[in-house]
Amino acid sequence: AQSVTQPDIHITVSEGASLELRCNYSYGATPYLFWYVQSPGQGLQLLLKYFSGDTLVQGIKGFEAEFKRSQSSFNLRKPSVHWSDAAEYFCAVAASDSWGKLQFGAGTQVVVTP
Amino acid sequence: DSGVTQTPKHLITATGQRVTLRCSPRSGDLSVYWYQQSLDQGLQFLIQYYNGEERAKGNILERFSAQQFPDLHSELNLSSLELGDSALYFCASSVESTAQSYEQYFGPGTRLTVT
Repeated sequence: AQSVTQPDIHITVSEGASLELRCNYSYGATPYLFWYVQSPGQGLQLLLKYFSGDTLVQGIKGFEAEFKRSQSSFNLRKPSVHWSDAAEYFCAVAASDSWGKLQFGAGTQVVVTP
Repeated sequence: DSGVTQTPKHLITATGQRVTLRCSPRSGDLSVYWYQQSLDQGLQFLIQYYNGEERAKGNILERFSAQQFPDLHSELNLSSLELGDSALYFCASSVESTAQSYEQYFGPGTRLTVT
């Protein structure tokens, strides 16, 4: 069965420290991959996406993600977090023939401490 | 602001009732998606419409239905409501063209509370 796994439910990071959020997927073929962020009381905002090509993708707000086919992973990184990065982060996957139906991971809650 | 609007923002209703959630997509987007976010199920895809026609269905209950109108706004109808239907309902929209159709823009959501 197709699945999207975010192993970390909750991560606490100090302001200025680096952040890495993990995402693993299980799909028949390489799907399309996304990271979304949800701030409290807000909708989801697209941070970045991977369709094909360069496996390191840059997104908004200083985020980047690396697609690793051999590990079926699409991890999100940020070199130096800001207090405003505190939010919930969702990895999402769409099969290339799914008409855009997104399957989301369970989310990772990021807390930023001073 | 994604450009996707949803009304109402909050809705409180009783079990057994019926409600309608409304979504207006971004200007130019032909595709509308509905998602449900709940504590126990997470974010789940419900249904997708493209230019007025149903395109894909996910984990949508038979008590739920949706439609997309000629002006491209969409409505999600939830009937015979149960306590477990309490959730945040998101609408998203996208431009319909090959890979770009996968870039979805989400509205702020409608929080439904069933008492």
